[in-house]
Amino acid sequence: AQTVTQSQPEMSVQEAETVTLSCTYDTSESDYYLFWYKQPPSRQMILVIRQEAYKQQNATENRFSVNFQKAAKSFSLKISDSQLGDAAMYFCAYRVYSGGGADGLTFGKGTHLIIQP
Amino acid sequence: EPEVTQTPSHQVTQMGQEVILRCVPISNHLYFYWYRQILGQKVEFLVSFYNNEISEKSEIFDDQFSVERPDGSNFTLKIRSTKLEDSAMYFCASSPDRVFAHEQFFGPGTRLTVL
Repeated sequence: AQTVTQSQPEMSVQEAETVTLSCTYDTSESDYYLFWYKQPPSRQMILVIRQEAYKQQNATENRFSVNFQKAAKSFSLKISDSQLGDAAMYFCAYRVYSGGGADGLTFGKGTHLIIQP
Repeated sequence: EPEVTQTPSHQVTQMGQEVILRCVPISNHLYFYWYRQILGQKVEFLVSFYNNEISEKSEIFDDQFSVERPDGSNFTLKIRSTKLEDSAMYFCASSPDRVFAHEQFFGPGTRLTVL
């Protein structure tokens, strides 16, 4: 079974600074997807960034980027120029690629990100 | 921008009662999912649904749970006899066709409180 581990229950960063959230996962599969989801106080899950395991290049979305280390099974999220609106729970998630769309996501326990003004 | 919607936003029920949580996935999406998040815990996969039948389900999704797509737009989760431990946030999600099925779009959730 796949597992996703987020070892930082809470992180705090000053506004405009950079913060990195850690995620490791365990799988025997070779084809899979990794995601970071943001869950603000409104509780709706919002996709932040996605990485396909077959891609060596790290994904980037504006101020958000990942450091994907496939051999180490590590998938960290870097947030640059942190903004107050970035404050939320961040969940790392994994999904096996089975050729279809039926597979559910496996989530980590989340990291609560606090932005200090 | 199209989005997944869920009703109600908050449901309060007595233990042993049946509840139905409703979701309207994004139009033209083909894969539908339910997830559960007990307060303070991680989001857990319950079930996926495709072509009018269950595709995958987790250990959590026992005989107390059922899903249905009664018409062309709604996707429902039924809990037959609710227990206190069913209190949680329930999220519906949907994915487009097989090519882009790796992207799941979540609804705002329904908070279920079982008394």
